[in-house]
Order: sequence, then structure tokens, then C-alpha cells
Amino acid sequence: EPEVTQTPSHQVTQMGQEVILRCVPISNHLYFYWYRQILGQKVEFLVSFYNNEISEKSEIFDDQFSVERPDGSNFTLKIRSTKLEDSAMYFCAPRRDYTDTQYFGPGTRLTVL
Amino acid sequence: ELKVEQNPLFLSMQEGKNYTIYCNYSTTSDRLYWYRQDPGKSLESLFVLLSNGAVKQEGRLMASLDTKARLSTLHITAAVHDLSATYFCAVDMNYGGATNKLIFGTGTLLAVQP
Repeated sequence: EPEVTQTPSHQVTQMGQEVILRCVPISNHLYFYWYRQILGQKVEFLVSFYNNEISEKSEIFDDQFSVERPDGSNFTLKIRSTKLEDSAMYFCAPRRDYTDTQYFGPGTRLTVL
Repeated sequence: ELKVEQNPLFLSMQEGKNYTIYCNYSTTSDRLYWYRQDPGKSLESLFVLLSNGAVKQEGRLMASLDTKARLSTLHITAAVHDLSATYFCAVDMNYGGATNKLIFGTGTLLAVQP
């Protein structure tokens, strides 16, 4: 199972503030995904990222969301102006290639007050 | 749009009993996952099923896939308390391309009572 770390493990923020969630996969991952899970609900796809651009995004991933991999290592998810309904667990899920089993990082719990 | 349905949503069972969780999906897929999630934790991959008729077993859990019926099952044999968790199936959409993604079922909360 590939090692993936996510920081922070828990973030509390005020509504309207910007947050950046970070994912640090091991170096030979090529495909990157963010998923979210609202408490007690199912896991939902947010966005996929390959070759330094977004491959696909869901309806949830609106203009308030952005992703980037600025240094070739960290993969970040930014929410520009958080809403109460953004409170959820956010999971990073990198893959070496599309045949790879999909593993998930430990997650970041985001709480918007 | 792909829909993935699991049932039951909640399952309370006694130790030693057998039961099956069902996962139905609405369009063709070549890959299906089963995950386990403990409260407040991430998703742990249990099984990856790649073809029609695939069957995999690990301990007291056995998963199968029928792509023609668009149905996967997770069978629990002689349940023990340690199996208490939420179980998700997930269908791999667009498998084989950069746009592949997982579509998850609603999850089944399993509570094994002593």
C-alpha cells in the first residue's frame, strides 16, 4: 500500500476563509484524486488530476475549489471561501497508473464554523 | 449517470451468523472495489474485483462480481465483533483512462453483537 500523508489532519476555519489541504504521495504517482465524505454519508468524487491539469471534476467542484501540484510533490486542494456545507472529510487518493489499486490517504477533517 | 446502490444500509447481526451485503450498479464497469471504514478513519481496501465471475476471499469475508447482472456481493461468514464497521462498494468508472474515478455506494453499517 503506497504511503500517503495528508496535512492537516483536522482544520477548523470560519466561514468565508480560505483553506488549503495538502497531500504528499510517494514520488512515482501520476494520477491524483480528491474525494470528500460528509459525516455519515457516502464518499463523493471531487476531481482528478493528471499531467498537471484537471482531467475531470464533479458538480461539487465549483469555482471555489482549485487543485495544483506546485512543486511536483505536494498535491493541494484549495477552497477559496469556505461554506458551512464544506465541512467534511477530504481524502487524497493518488495512483501510479490507472491499473493501480485505488488507495486513500488518512484524510483531513475540515470543520467550517 | 452511474448509480451504485447498496443494501442493506444497516445490518445488525450476532456473532457466528452469516450474512450478505449487496451492491447493484447501473452501467458497465470493469472494476469494482470493496472498502472498509472504521469510525473517523480512512477507507481500507478489502477487495478489487476485475472480471465477471471473480471471487476473492480474505478471512471471514468473500466478495464476488457478476458484471452481467451488475451485482457484487460481500459475504460475511461466522461474524465476529471485529468486523463491525461501514462497508462501501465502489465502481471504477472510465477504467483505463485519465478520467477514471470511483462512484461509491451508500455504505452498509455493520454491527456485530456478541
